[in-house]
Amino acid sequence: KDQVFQPSTVASSEGAVVEIFCNHSVSNAYNFFWYLHFPGCAPRLLVKGSKPSQQGRYNMTYERFSSSLLILQVREADAAVYYCACNTGFQKLVFGTGTRLLVSP
Amino acid sequence: EPEVTQTPSHQVTQMGQEVILRCVPISNHLYFYWYRQILGQKVEFLVSFYNNEISEKSEIFDDQFSVERPDGSNFTLKIRSTKLEDSAMYFCASSPSGRMDTKPTITLYNEQFFGPGTRLTVL
Repeated sequence: KDQVFQPSTVASSEGAVVEIFCNHSVSNAYNFFWYLHFPGCAPRLLVKGSKPSQQGRYNMTYERFSSSLLILQVREADAAVYYCACNTGFQKLVFGTGTRLLVSP
Repeated sequence: EPEVTQTPSHQVTQMGQEVILRCVPISNHLYFYWYRQILGQKVEFLVSFYNNEISEKSEIFDDQFSVERPDGSNFTLKIRSTKLEDSAMYFCASSPSGRMDTKPTITLYNEQFFGPGTRLTVL
């Protein structure tokens, strides 16, 4: 069955580098998408691709069946839910259950 | 910056009633999607829509559901006879293209832009 797995919660301290890991069992999926979601707002794409990439403070590692999102110099304002997703062909995204990031001062 | 909008933000309805959830995708986008998230669960794909027809749907998207693009801007999801288990957050998304070439040649990914969601509560 096509599934995406990620931890339910990750805790970090301000200023640290935090890593959120994701792996999948989605057939024919080559791309990872990392979304940031504040409740009540639209999920926002942070970084994507089928190779390691970086967008500002967000780095994405890439292996065929796994990826990590690294957030550099994490801030309290980064506390939110982070979703990992893969796409099958071009039609749909398969999401993980989301990782709640907790940031302590 | 263009964004996907959804109305209403919260819809409360009685079991058995019909509801229509509305979305305005980004204007030059060609592909449209609906996802839902039941409280405490993951975001699940419902349906994708292109060129005025459904291009893919999940097993969740049964005969109680339908989608429509009634004019050049709106994209709607209709639930004909709501059930308690339809209570969820419904997200609309759009993308400029859906085309995806597999590796090792050119890889084009469909970046999907999401709306803020409509929370549907069925009583």
